[in-house]
Order: sequence, then structure tokens, then C-alpha cells
Amino acid sequence: QKEVEQDPGPLSVPEGAIVSLNCTYSNSAFQYFMWYRQYSRKGPELLMYTYSSGNKEDGRFTAQVDKSSKYISLFIRDSQPSDSATYLCAMSGLTGGGNKLTFGTGTQLKVEL
Amino acid sequence: DGGITQSPKYLFRKEGQNVTLSCEQNLNHDAMYWYRQDPGQGLRLIYYSQIVNDFQKGDIAEGYSVSREKKESFPLTVTSAQKNPTAFYLCASTRAGVSGANVLTFGAGSRLTVL
Repeated sequence: QKEVEQDPGPLSVPEGAIVSLNCTYSNSAFQYFMWYRQYSRKGPELLMYTYSSGNKEDGRFTAQVDKSSKYISLFIRDSQPSDSATYLCAMSGLTGGGNKLTFGTGTQLKVEL
Repeated sequence: DGGITQSPKYLFRKEGQNVTLSCEQNLNHDAMYWYRQDPGQGLRLIYYSQIVNDFQKGDIAEGYSVSREKKESFPLTVTSAQKNPTAFYLCASTRAGVSGANVLTFGAGSRLTVL
């Protein structure tokens, strides 16, 4: 079993829909949780970053962490065709550098007109 | 603008050849990383370096080599010993010493295809 599980999709939604992307994990030491967005043939870019449990909102994006269930989510409101990309979750514990990041496999999202 | 430059964007290699992928950053970041991305497998760490003239193996270092002679540069060589080198390679960097906040900045990637 992988430390981080993420449904690969593809997930196809109509423009304007609310999108929910999720990851589950097994390592209770994870404290930092990130969402990266990756357009086709490009490098990932940081979208959201949260520490421990709770919610964080940035414009149309909301990141949610439920450590008791080992479950994190990214919600996209009023989805746009420009949101079509692969979304990667990533997480790490309190110590260590980028070498301690564990990534999900990514969920491919397509927002259709 | 600050960022990470990877080159070449696309590279074709014959079996048995070594190839070197370039990664340059002007972010003044201390730590640099090489990841490999394959469909359905997510990002896997190949090598990383937290300081000049020092680097560490990641999870899948076999068949790869790196050097870190300058803070700005972290080239990756894919050797003929790498049995399945066709993949998308990503270079990343971050400031060292930021405990837990492992927020990486990525380059645009290099796609290597072995013919």
C-alpha cells in the first residue's frame, strides 16, 4: 500500500461546477500538506499549502485537512477551463527538507465548456 | 524573473549512451532536487543536494549521477546503466533550513526518450 493514495481520474466536469479532489495517507507523522497544479508538459506549481488540520482558502480554492481521518481535500469553486490540469497532493513531517516530501500520483481534471 | 531553467526540453537517446540534463536556478536556493515522473507513479526522488559539493541519493538513484559544483547548478546524468530511462525529469529547489515547509519550486521539465 502506498503512503499516499490519490485517484488518478480523469475527472471531467462542466464549467462552473464545484470540484473536489482528494488524497488519503497512512503516515500519521505528516504535518505539512500541499497541493500542486501541473499543466501538460510543464513542471508542477504550488497552489496551496497548509499545516496540520483545518481549512485554508485562497480565492476559488479551499484546502481542507482532516488528520483524524488521514484525508485531505482541495475544492475548486466556479471551475474554469483554465483549471484543466493534473493536481498533485504532497505531504511531509515536521523535520527534513524537500527530500522528505511524499507525492500522490496526481488527479487529472478536465473542465469542459 | 527568478526561476529554474531546465534544458533540453526534449531529448532522444540511443541505448547505451549517457546523457546530461541541465538545471540552473537563480532563486538563491540552497537545496536542489531531481525527480522522475512516470504515469501512474507520481514523483520519485532521484538525487538531492542541500549544499554545494554535497549530494545524497534519493529513492531511485541507480543508473543516475549528479554534481553540485555551483550553488546555481545541479546537472543530472542518465547513464547507460539506467534500465528504463524514458521519463519526464523534473528539477526543483527550495531554501534550506526552513523546517518542514518543504515548498518546492519546479522547473518546466525535460522529457527523455530512449530509442
